[in-house]
Amino acid sequence: EVQLVESGGGLIQPGGSLRLSCAASGFTVSSNFMSWVRQAPGKGLEWVSVIYSGESTYYADSVKGRFTISRDISKNTVYLQMNSLRAEDTALYFCARDGADYSFASWGRGTLVTVSS
Amino acid sequence: QSALTQPASVSGSPGQSITISCTGTSSDVGGYNYVSWYQQHPGKAPKLIIYGVSSRPSGVSNRFSGSKSGNTASLTISGLQAEDEADYYCSSYSSGSTQVVFGGGTKLTVL
Repeated sequence: EVQLVESGGGLIQPGGSLRLSCAASGFTVSSNFMSWVRQAPGKGLEWVSVIYSGESTYYADSVKGRFTISRDISKNTVYLQMNSLRAEDTALYFCARDGADYSFASWGRGTLVTVSS
Repeated sequence: QSALTQPASVSGSPGQSITISCTGTSSDVGGYNYVSWYQQHPGKAPKLIIYGVSSRPSGVSNRFSGSKSGNTASLTISGLQAEDEADYYCSSYSSGSTQVVFGGGTKLTVL
């Protein structure tokens, strides 16, 4: 059974850093593309970043230069390093595994990031 | 402002059919058959219900169907049920550095 479990969220001051983790089971993260998608309170979904099986990475313009996606195959885990955090980064961050045709077939429950002083 | 445009809300009575539109550009919806739809109930993670414009994952009811014409994709739900009341999001592959774009979401109310 495919399972994704996010962790690492919390309350952080503007300008601070956090690293989110997404522990996967039931499949291998290196053979799929893995994305982070966020949802601000009461708002819609926003794609944040993707890491492909070949390790190429892409980012939304809103986080480019501040966020870095990576993976550790030995731990079957994907990470999102978030630096220079802003109030507008406050959101529930979901980890998602690819389905066919650039869809997201499996989702975790999310981890909440709150950026506030 | 979201990259893809969806109506903020739609409603229908049990048993009826409703359609939710999702409008993009030739760089996303119109250029690729990579449109997906997600259902999200309050406090839950999104659930994939349509991928590749019109394909349904295993286990998803055939009451859900998808289509596309030009730069606009559509999700149709037939035989509305109370459990269909949720938020619905479209997404599409997008050329360029932003690989995936989402719509702003549509709240479906079953009257």
